[in-house]
Amino acid sequence: AQSVTQLDSQVPVFEEAPVELRCNYSSSVSVYLFWYVQYPNQGLQLLLKYLSGSTLVESINGFEAEFNKSQTSFHLRKPSVHISDTAEYFCAVSDHGAGGFKTIFGAGTRLFVKA
Amino acid sequence: DTGVSQNPRHKITKRGQNVTFRCDPISEHNRLYWYRQTLGQGPEFLTYFQNEAQLEKSRLLSDRFSAERPKGSFSTLEIQRTEQGDSAMYLCASSLEGGGRDTQYFGPGTRLTVL
Repeated sequence: AQSVTQLDSQVPVFEEAPVELRCNYSSSVSVYLFWYVQYPNQGLQLLLKYLSGSTLVESINGFEAEFNKSQTSFHLRKPSVHISDTAEYFCAVSDHGAGGFKTIFGAGTRLFVKA
Repeated sequence: DTGVSQNPRHKITKRGQNVTFRCDPISEHNRLYWYRQTLGQGPEFLTYFQNEAQLEKSRLLSDRFSAERPKGSFSTLEIQRTEQGDSAMYLCASSLEGGGRDTQYFGPGTRLTVL
């Protein structure tokens, strides 16, 4: 069965500092991996995704994530955060095996950027 | 606005009452998903439709829950004989492609409070 573990429930960081939000998954089949962001009082938005090809994927606002198959990880990084990055971040996995489809989400990591 | 819409946005009901939520997906999307999100947790998969066919249901979806997508467009999620444990945010998402690689676009959610 698939599962997603986000190792940190909260990450406080100062503005312009780098940040890494950790995500590990387990799955018996090949997977697609996603990071979603939920800003305060807003719905979930896709931040970036890994489907195939290059293991490093980037978002338009400076985040990147690297798919590491051997470590079953998909950590999210940003070299310099802004106050506006304060939000909840969810890692998610879906498989493309036979027998059905669903997306499993982690419990979320609350990123709090301080001035 | 051409995004996913959900109605109502908030619902307060008494234990034992039935409630129904509606989701209108992005018009050309053939897949529609329902999730439940409780405080401090990521979204939990409930069920999904491809066109009008309900292809998978989570074990979380007890007999009191039923979802329909009669014409392959909007969907309804009904909860019968609500319980306090049903209090949560109910999220709907839609996507165009299939097989797990599709990007899901989320609605703003319906917050259910069962008194």
